[in-house]
Amino acid sequence: AQKITQTQPGMFVQEKEAVTLDCTYDTSDPSYGLFWYKQPSSGEMIFLIYQGSYDQQNATEGRYSLNFQKARKSANLVISASQLGDSAMYFCAMREVSGGGADGLTFGKGTHLIIQP
Amino acid sequence: DGGITQSPKYLFRKEGQNVTLSCEQNLNHDAMYWYRQDPGQGLRLIYYSQIVNDFQKGDIAEGYSVSREKKESFPLTVTSAQKNPTAFYLCASSIMAGGENEQFFGPGTRLTVL
Repeated sequence: AQKITQTQPGMFVQEKEAVTLDCTYDTSDPSYGLFWYKQPSSGEMIFLIYQGSYDQQNATEGRYSLNFQKARKSANLVISASQLGDSAMYFCAMREVSGGGADGLTFGKGTHLIIQP
Repeated sequence: DGGITQSPKYLFRKEGQNVTLSCEQNLNHDAMYWYRQDPGQGLRLIYYSQIVNDFQKGDIAEGYSVSREKKESFPLTVTSAQKNPTAFYLCASSIMAGGENEQFFGPGTRLTVL
């Protein structure tokens, strides 16, 4: 079973609108972290935001916020006031802290976001 | 400037040849990682190292090998045993393993096997 599911393969959004990118996850580990990365066409992975499973408040970083709904196992990324430079692939990822498994990130398949002028 | 470098950016090899991808970091990070990305897919973990002289297999280690003789360096060898080596390879590091520590990524190496 997939651990990270991103149900939107692609999205078109008008510039200056807010964008919500969906991410659901599956884990039985009580301690985990959720990450969002941006991948422009150049290929580099750019860290955007982090949410820990025990964090009480939703994480925010500038125009990025994470809508964390623990009971639903949902960690959606919200980008406010989208810009043309936001066009990229966006990946949701998870690290399970106490599961005893590999210490790496598990990634979803990504959402290709295109901002239109 | 601190960061992660990967070389080369593009690499072409003939089928059956081993090839080594370089990854160097000057961030003084303990943990380093190798991921593989196929078109339209997310990243998958190949190998990781939490500390010098130690490394562990990730989800898709078959056909790959690594070494971690120095803190700054974590080279990945793609061997002839790897059935489908053409992919985009990304190296990452984090200050230490586990927890909330974000991973910083290098620019990647695009490997094409002819």
